[in-house]
Amino acid sequence: DSGVTQTPKHLITATGQRVTLRCSPRSGDLSVYWYQQSLDQGLQFLIQYYNGEERAKGNILERFSAQQFPDLHSELNLSSLELGDSALYFCASSVTGQGSYGYTFGSGTRLTVV
Amino acid sequence: LAKTTQPISMDSYEGQEVNITCSHNNIATNDYITWYQQFPSQGPRFIIQGYKTKVTNEVASLFIPADRKSSTLSLPRVSLSDTAVYYCLVALYNTDKLIFGTGTRLQVFP
Repeated sequence: DSGVTQTPKHLITATGQRVTLRCSPRSGDLSVYWYQQSLDQGLQFLIQYYNGEERAKGNILERFSAQQFPDLHSELNLSSLELGDSALYFCASSVTGQGSYGYTFGSGTRLTVV
Repeated sequence: LAKTTQPISMDSYEGQEVNITCSHNNIATNDYITWYQQFPSQGPRFIIQGYKTKVTNEVASLFIPADRKSSTLSLPRVSLSDTAVYYCLVALYNTDKLIFGTGTRLQVFP
């Protein structure tokens, strides 16, 4: 157990629908990162939040949005889902939002769009 | 962020030493080199990080030559459980985000 909790572990939904993925960072970590990993693809950085505020943005689609709440958990919202959005979505956390050493990843949410 | 190049895949047998080399010709002065390991359907896990020369921990060693344009992750006496994808990353120590490449898929055979 890495200390980063992601729910749900699996999600199956239809095209056009909207889903919300949840991430609870490791205790004491202020920063949350979201990554997408499609089948046989590398990890694509989506977005980072630090202490409730957006800190960095990657290749995140306009149909996707995220937020970090006062209790530091984060949610990734995916809307108007397409077949190509099927992927593993990982959340990572770190204490300060700095340092490639201090990233801890969760076990991911596997999203299947049918 | 410096671009990294590493082999797409490698095969090994149990008990052998595995060396995975990563090329990062455009590494900047303040960049660190970090390696992550990822098992299927799991999130990446930090293995080792270094700036120059050699770093060793209980899992692996990292060799970095003086020009720092490449680095080699060394896994001693691999086992079947070392079958995974290994990512080499080069970034500032205080970077806001990690950019992963395609990684090296290591397959260990009995």
